[in-house]
Amino acid sequence: EVQLVESGGGLVQPGGSLRLSCAASGFTVSSNYMNWVRQAPGKGLEWVSGIYSGDNTHYADSVKGRFTISRDNSKNTLYLQMNSLRAEDTAVYYCASGYTYGKLDYWGQGTLITVSS
Amino acid sequence: DIQMTQSPSSLSASVGDRVTITCRASQGISNNLAWYQQKLGKVPKLLIYAASILESGVPSRFSGSGSATDFTLTISSLQPEDVATYYCQKYNSAPWTFGQGTKVEIK
Repeated sequence: EVQLVESGGGLVQPGGSLRLSCAASGFTVSSNYMNWVRQAPGKGLEWVSGIYSGDNTHYADSVKGRFTISRDNSKNTLYLQMNSLRAEDTAVYYCASGYTYGKLDYWGQGTLITVSS
Repeated sequence: DIQMTQSPSSLSASVGDRVTITCRASQGISNNLAWYQQKLGKVPKLLIYAASILESGVPSRFSGSGSATDFTLTISSLQPEDVATYYCQKYNSAPWTFGQGTKVEIK
């Protein structure tokens, strides 16, 4: 059974940093399409970042230059390093992935990031 | 970047009704489109990918169609358990943009 478990969320001040983790089981992070998707309170889904074959990384314009996606194959874990956080980054962050490009078959339960002073 | 626009933003229909949600891409994306269902307080669930392929385990009352810029998600006979927000998502290339969502309620 595939499980994705996010951690690292919490309250952070504007301008601060946070690193999210997504630990996978039953699924190999290194060879699949790994993504972060967020959802602000009461709002829709927003794709944030993805890391694909050959470690190609992609970002939404809203986070480009501030967030960095990476993976540790030895730990089978996906990360999202978030710097220069803003109030508008407040959201539940989901780790989402799939075996096939474009398909988000598997989702974690999400971790809440609140950016506030 | 390609923008994804869903319509309507919300709808209310009776049990048994046929419901159609539209998703339009600002540029052609071939059939690189998925649909997700998100029930209140739950994690999104993949319904359809490649515009028209039903994900395993998804009820056959759900169907998808379209290509290039215009896509539809159809629920052939709305059921109470279909109350949710539905999102389209394009994946021809990054960014994998979502539509703004369509909230479906029972009348």
